[in-house]
Amino acid sequence: AQRVTQPEKLLSVFKGAPVELKCNYSYSGSPELFWYVQYSRQRLQLLLRHISRESIKGFTADLNKGETSFHLKKPFAQEEDSAMYYCALMEYGNKLVFGAGTILRVKS
Amino acid sequence: GAGVSQSPSNKVTEKGKDVELRCDPISGHTALYWYRQSLGQGLEFLIYFQGNSAPDKSGLPSDRFSAERTGGSVSTLTIQRTQQEDSAVYLCASSSRTGYGELFFGEGSRLTVL
Repeated sequence: AQRVTQPEKLLSVFKGAPVELKCNYSYSGSPELFWYVQYSRQRLQLLLRHISRESIKGFTADLNKGETSFHLKKPFAQEEDSAMYYCALMEYGNKLVFGAGTILRVKS
Repeated sequence: GAGVSQSPSNKVTEKGKDVELRCDPISGHTALYWYRQSLGQGLEFLIYFQGNSAPDKSGLPSDRFSAERTGGSVSTLTIQRTQQEDSAVYLCASSSRTGYGELFFGEGSRLTVL
């Protein structure tokens, strides 16, 4: 059973437009959720985690337990945001499982 | 080196041959993870180690896949009798603090099975 779902394989927006990358999860316990990002020719790296309630590079993500969602948002997209974004869920025993990923393409 | 190191970076092999992929984690990191990244499949969990033991091997696709970690450091992922569907990028990551989810990834080993 898929625990992390990212419904969009590709999201294409214009520079300056708002961005929302969707993530839904399935987990019976108290979830710990993360967003990871992979820029072109760079390593996969942590972007943000819900427990920190932080904003990184203008991105935020709010955990909605009622909708079992953890969507990533940014009010104004920039070209340098173009990358692959993965939503991830920490399961029991520190096992981190990832969604299929969404490619974000920001057009000028 | 400061980061997770993986070797080889690229490996082309013939179907049926065995391959070994190596991962050098960041010094002092106790947790080590292996993932497989392929088009359309996203990032597939294979196995993770806490120290030298592997609490969860559930992601290994078949008994052709095995992994070990020695000395709480270097790990080797072995694929026996490779098949074309094994072609992918194999990513290794390490973590210093369990339960916080910050994994540091290597650049990956790209495996192509002809």
